[in-house]
Amino acid sequence: QPVLTQSSSASASLGSSVKLICTLNSGYSNHIIAWHQQQPGKAPRYLMKVEGSGRYSGAPARFSGSSSGADRHLTISNLQSDDEAVYYCETWDSNARVFGGGTKLTVL
Amino acid sequence: QVLLQESGPGLVKPSEALSLTCSVSGGSIDRTTYYWGWIRQPPGKGLEWIGGIYYSGRSHYNPSFESRVTIAVDTSKNQFSLNLNSVTAADTAVYFCARYFGFDPIDVWGQGTTVTVSS
Repeated sequence: QPVLTQSSSASASLGSSVKLICTLNSGYSNHIIAWHQQQPGKAPRYLMKVEGSGRYSGAPARFSGSSSGADRHLTISNLQSDDEAVYYCETWDSNARVFGGGTKLTVL
Repeated sequence: QVLLQESGPGLVKPSEALSLTCSVSGGSIDRTTYYWGWIRQPPGKGLEWIGGIYYSGRSHYNPSFESRVTIAVDTSKNQFSLNLNSVTAADTAVYFCARYFGFDPIDVWGQGTTVTVSS
């Protein structure tokens, strides 16, 4: 079964860029993942999916994705206060869906 | 635009069953090849997939819940449901319903409903 690992926290300044990382376990390095944003007190919101090739789709403005080996990245540019949230990655196989532990992003 | 809305009791007693319903609007549950699933989030913790059901009725579950969970679909009401038996305090969480393709991400989330397990 796939496993996703994320750092528990990250921080960056208003107006800057930040890159969050989600790492797939051995044997799943080619898996597609998705990124979801959960603002405080709200339901998660789907942002995009990122393929092993680095191609990404579905991203809203200022959000982009990329890949390097087993790492999948979410880059947010021109950070706004609204971007302060927990970011979860998600993946799946034929039998299950799994989430990473989430990265809490603080906008300074 | 498909919208999902959870409903059900906010308080359940230990050892009893937790039952929730997700109402689907903006699209027909049995005319699309999506899975309809449930995810939960304990207080202050991350997301945990419980299981999902295909529009035809085929279901798949997280092994952690398999012995006590049932997900069903009611096409006449355009709803699907979650039943979780023998609950304990560890089942206290916000429960979300969601939609996904078999090999694609969750792309629609409900707003979530809080369930507390307590006597």
